[in-house]
Amino acid sequence: SQTIHQWPATLVQPVGSPLSLECTVEGTSNPNLYWYRQAAGRGLQLLFYSVGIGQISSEVPQNLSASRPQDRQFILSSKKLLLSDSSFYLCAWSVVQYASTDTQYFGPGTRLTVL
Amino acid sequence: KQEVTQIPAALSVPEGENLVLNCSFTDSAIYNLQWFRQDPGKGLTSLLLIQSSQREQTSGRLNASLDKSSGRSTLYIAASQPGDSATYLCAVSHNAGGTSYGKLTFGQGTILTVHP
Repeated sequence: SQTIHQWPATLVQPVGSPLSLECTVEGTSNPNLYWYRQAAGRGLQLLFYSVGIGQISSEVPQNLSASRPQDRQFILSSKKLLLSDSSFYLCAWSVVQYASTDTQYFGPGTRLTVL
Repeated sequence: KQEVTQIPAALSVPEGENLVLNCSFTDSAIYNLQWFRQDPGKGLTSLLLIQSSQREQTSGRLNASLDKSSGRSTLYIAASQPGDSATYLCAVSHNAGGTSYGKLTFGQGTILTVHP
């Protein structure tokens, strides 16, 4: 069966420090991978998605970046965190056969607090 | 631009009640509509997926309907239980710019509390 891991589960970082959040998927090959952000009381905002190694599409311009060094690994990074980066970050995966039946499977999330 | 709205924002009901959560979307050109559940501080769990050609889907005490032409979906929960307490999110999958898969746009969710 497929599983998705995110770490760390929680993170407290000072303003201006770098960030690296990791997501890995097991039990599937060549998945689509996604990073979302969820601010308190708000819906999910898609940040990045990837259809293959080294292929990253950005949805929202900001001080975050994403990389996919391996097929089932997706990394969210920042060189300098802002207070506004405090949020709940979710990784998700999907394996698309038909768009009409495509669904995404979410990881447990990382709670990031920037002080 | 696709926009998804969920009403109500919060709902509190006594155990055993039947309830309805509402979702509306602005662009009817969708691949599917999905309902997710999110427990506090956790990730999302997929509940139901309705393809654009379908009218409804059922899973246990959950029934979701889709009226694509009017841009509406409802999630019906029968005989609610305290364990149903969570945030319920609606999302529509729509064209992601010429790709074969869809992009999910989410509503802001309905916070459901079922009290004993």
